[in-house]
Formats: sequence, structure tokens, C-alpha cells
Amino acid sequence: GAGVSQSPRYKVAKRGQDVALRCDPISGHVSLFWYQQALGQGPEFLTYFQNEAQLDKSGLPSDRFFAERPEGSVSTLKIQRTQQEDSAVYLCASSSYSGSPYNEQFFGPGTRLTVL
Amino acid sequence: AQSVTQLDSQVPVFEEAPVELRCNYSSSVSVYLFWYVQYPNQGLQLLLKYLSGSTLVKGINGFEAEFNKSQTSFHLRKPSVHISDTAEYFCAVSDLDSSYKLIFGSGTRLLVRP
Repeated sequence: GAGVSQSPRYKVAKRGQDVALRCDPISGHVSLFWYQQALGQGPEFLTYFQNEAQLDKSGLPSDRFFAERPEGSVSTLKIQRTQQEDSAVYLCASSSYSGSPYNEQFFGPGTRLTVL
Repeated sequence: AQSVTQLDSQVPVFEEAPVELRCNYSSSVSVYLFWYVQYPNQGLQLLLKYLSGSTLVKGINGFEAEFNKSQTSFHLRKPSVHISDTAEYFCAVSDLDSSYKLIFGSGTRLLVRP
């Protein structure tokens, strides 16, 4: 079956531009997660949705970052006024039920954002 | 706050040799532990996880890991590696309070040579 998909796969933005990154989770998955992976580092947690409710946004690095999942399926991560330090791979993951570790998080291939 | 240390940034090994990738975490409280593999241009894939019970955990592709609470370690092992095992391996931890939040190490690149 289809896995988690993300678009675009690559995005180049000029400093100061706004960007929107899309995540299509596995159909029927309740939980959705965003992670940021800087070059040479492991992924870092950004935010967690259960259905349309954003239960944890403690990892969002600044108020320029905003995530939404209005209908409990597709999610968008928006970054306003991009800065060079925002350059990273943004990973989306989904799991079938709650965020319990008993439910595996399935990861998408990521969107590589480069801010010039 | 939880943290994960993967001391080896790269581990070169010859095909069919055994390998151990090291992982240590910071907390002595109850945690959940994971190993993920990342192939180029692909998403992270779960290899195995420790939630409770037996400290020796077997995963996919012949990998296994042993949870050692006293040493706060969760090292990954494989008795005989293949060229296709060349990839980036990430250790991750989550705690009971926010178990959905995976905290990753910086990764170890396993390079299998013929």
C-alpha cells in the first residue's frame, strides 16, 4: 500500500520567502508528526497532531513555523520569512492510532529545503 | 531532558563481518528505545524497538539489540553484514510521559565494503 508521501521533495527559497511543505499520511492514520533533520544530524521533533488537533508544538523553533491539519488527514508545515538556518530536511511521519510507541511511526522521504 | 549519544559517526566493515553500532541514552528512568535505518533518498524505517520484557530484541534484516539498563545502552548488532546494509542508522528514545516524541541520536553511517 501507499506510504507517507511528501511534496515537494526539494524546495529552494530565497531568504525572506514563505514556504509550504505538504504531507500525505497513510490513509486512516490518526497521528501525524513533523521532524526537522539538519545536515549530519538526527531528526528533531517539531509537532504532533492527533486527527486535526495539534497536541504538541513544543519543538517548533520559532513563531515563523506553523503547522496545520484541518481535516485530520493532509498536513502542511508553513515557514514564514525563511532564514538560512531553516535549511534542513523536513520529515513527516504517521501512525495508526495514538502516539503510543506500540504504534509504529512510518516516515515519508522528506522535503529538502535550501534557503539561499 | 533525554538525549541520545551515538559516538561513532561512521563504521566501515567488510562484507560478512559482524558489526556493532553503539547507542547510549541519558536517563535512568523508564524509556522506550528504537533503532531506525535510513537509505539514501528514503524515509526512516523501523528496525526494532524495546518497550518492555526481554532485553534482547530481534528486528528485521537480521539485526538485534540488547537493552542494558545499568549502562543505559542499546547497542545494535548483526553477525554478518551485506553490502545492502550500507545506510545511516539512528538510535532513538522516548520516555513514558511523552512517548510519542522520538529523540534521535546524530546517526552512524555503516559502510560495508566488499
